[in-house]
Amino acid sequence: NAGVTQTPKFQVLKTGQSMTLQCAQDMNHNSMYWYRQDPGMGLRLIYYSASEGTTDKGEVPNGYNVSRLNKREFSLRLESAAPSQTSVYFCASSESANNYGYTFGSGTRLTVV
Amino acid sequence: QKEVEQDPGPLSVPEGAIVSLNCTYSNSAFQYFMWYRQYSRKGPELLMYTYSSGNKEDGRFTAQVDKSSKYISLFIRDSQPSDSATYLCAMRGTSGTYKYIFGTGTRLKVLA
Repeated sequence: NAGVTQTPKFQVLKTGQSMTLQCAQDMNHNSMYWYRQDPGMGLRLIYYSASEGTTDKGEVPNGYNVSRLNKREFSLRLESAAPSQTSVYFCASSESANNYGYTFGSGTRLTVV
Repeated sequence: QKEVEQDPGPLSVPEGAIVSLNCTYSNSAFQYFMWYRQYSRKGPELLMYTYSSGNKEDGRFTAQVDKSSKYISLFIRDSQPSDSATYLCAMRGTSGTYKYIFGTGTRLKVLA
């Protein structure tokens, strides 16, 4: 069982470049999430998708867009990368909004120079 | 002041010790509490969750919630070197379903 798969694992971008982080889950979960993790800040929710066809902003959505492509896939796009977006990005999924069991991917380490 | 405070550590203990990891919080509306373990360069994995106050036990792990003190704890008995990781607490209220607030994590080192 793969669980939650994120690609790429590492990426270096120049300021102003764009990229899409990919996430796929094979657990038939309804809800999916994108978090960023920064030293001293904890995990912060960027966007989430309660179910296929819906997306909503989290705590720190500025500079990001998301697409829930289908039930399995939830992508995060940086349209014009900034150094402040240097972080580790985690995708997570859960059966439903009320399910405590978030399953996280292994993360994407992004550096913007 | 952060809504959730967690001592960053590192906390170093000898193998076999009882470990106590703690989080304090300021929002009295928090009702759901979770503990995650995160190994270096990996994603967090859910260890324990509790609702409201009380204790919950799972093997060597015990989660404890004291809502009157706004304080939660994770106890690890008979700690092992494989328990060396960062432990994150997370919590939310009854509204704002997706709005878990995560602590910054405590690094634990269990020395063989």
